[in-house]
Amino acid sequence: QKEVEQNSGPLSVPEGAIASLNCTYSDRGSQSFFWYRQYSGKSPELIMFIYSNGDKEDGRFTAQLNKASQYVSLLIRDSQPSDSATYLCAVRNAGNMLTFGGGTRLMVKP
Amino acid sequence: EAGVAQSPRYKIIEKRQSVAFWCNPISGHATLYWYQQILGQGPKLLIQFQNNGVVDDSQLPKDRFSAERLKGVDSTLKIQPAKLEDSAVYLCASSPGGHPFTGELFFGEGSRLTVL
Repeated sequence: QKEVEQNSGPLSVPEGAIASLNCTYSDRGSQSFFWYRQYSGKSPELIMFIYSNGDKEDGRFTAQLNKASQYVSLLIRDSQPSDSATYLCAVRNAGNMLTFGGGTRLMVKP
Repeated sequence: EAGVAQSPRYKIIEKRQSVAFWCNPISGHATLYWYQQILGQGPKLLIQFQNNGVVDDSQLPKDRFSAERLKGVDSTLKIQPAKLEDSAVYLCASSPGGHPFTGELFFGEGSRLTVL
């Protein structure tokens, strides 16, 4: 079973700070990487994806990928209370199958 | 555009009983997924269909779970007999399929199962 690991948290940051969420994966053949956000009692929704090593920015969100270290992260700048949610890392393997990590719960305190 | 529809939203059953969940994906989406999400955990893929063929069902407990996708559209997931550890939210998702794959799965609201 290919694994995707995340610290379950909670990660608590003050409003306006940078939240850093991390994820490691075991399958070196993984091709693409995704961050989903899941509010309590709701279904996951895609925030962003990254295919290549390096950084990818989208508004307040930056995804970072290091395939050599099998590590992907999500930075949230200027964190807002509305960012409080569980962030799920997902990895695509062969056959377009997505394997999710256990998620990190983020709490942004006003 | 209508989203992924699931029913029922909530179901409470006793252990050893059976239950069925239904999913209608977004129109035109070729790929359909059933995930199981236990409280406090990430979604676990149970089965993935491409049109009406199974792509992966390696994590589906086949002694008690079954799923089908007739005519490549709607899908049902059945549990018989249910165990206490099956208490979870069952998420159905769909994606257009094809290439490039953006990784965006469109999830339904989920079916929450409680087994007593």
